[in-house]
Amino acid sequence: GNSVTQMEGPVTLSEEAFLTINCTYTATGYPSLFWYVQYPGEGLQLLLKATKADDKGSNKGFEATYRKETTSFHLEKGSVQVSDSAVYFCALSGHRAGNNRKLIWGLGTSLAVNP
Amino acid sequence: DAGVIQSPRHEVTEMGQEVTLRCKPISGHNSLFWYRQTMMRGLELLIYFNNNVPIDDSGMPEDRFSAKMPNASFSTLKIQPSEPRDSAVYFCASSSLGTTGENIQYFGAGTRLSVL
Repeated sequence: GNSVTQMEGPVTLSEEAFLTINCTYTATGYPSLFWYVQYPGEGLQLLLKATKADDKGSNKGFEATYRKETTSFHLEKGSVQVSDSAVYFCALSGHRAGNNRKLIWGLGTSLAVNP
Repeated sequence: DAGVIQSPRHEVTEMGQEVTLRCKPISGHNSLFWYRQTMMRGLELLIYFNNNVPIDDSGMPEDRFSAKMPNASFSTLKIQPSEPRDSAVYFCASSSLGTTGENIQYFGAGTRLSVL
């Protein structure tokens, strides 16, 4: 079945450091891939997405590229800020979701950015 | 758009009491999801509905939990009787494939439940 494996946290960085959070997946066909972010005390919100191989999703300085050859969707940011402190979730939606709207979730990676 | 609206935001109750959590999805969305989040177990899907019909309730922990969606704009998650181990943050999310076919879920702010 479909699955998502996400880098374990917590990750602690200094402000302006480079961030990578690894995410790999197992799926049949051509899934869509997502990164969601959860700020303290809030619900999850979509950060970025990619729907086909070699697509690059980007938002708020974060980027992730859909790599079918390595079944990966790693999240990167060149210079993190204290305000990026949050939990990041990688997720997958099956090929042609149709009536199956479930997302397959990673366990989440907690990021703390120190001033 | 007001987004997904959940109520109450916080609920404190005593063991054995009935708890009802409420959710209003985004207008026009035809899928609705209930999740539970704890430190120990992370984010768990409890149940989801398509067009008000329950599709997958395999995540519902036991018979004490029930969910309904009487119409497209309202859903409830009920716990009866509640137990301390039910303490968690419960999220509701909604989605619609729309014309682009993208399966994006939009989350509410959650209900933090404490069962004493």
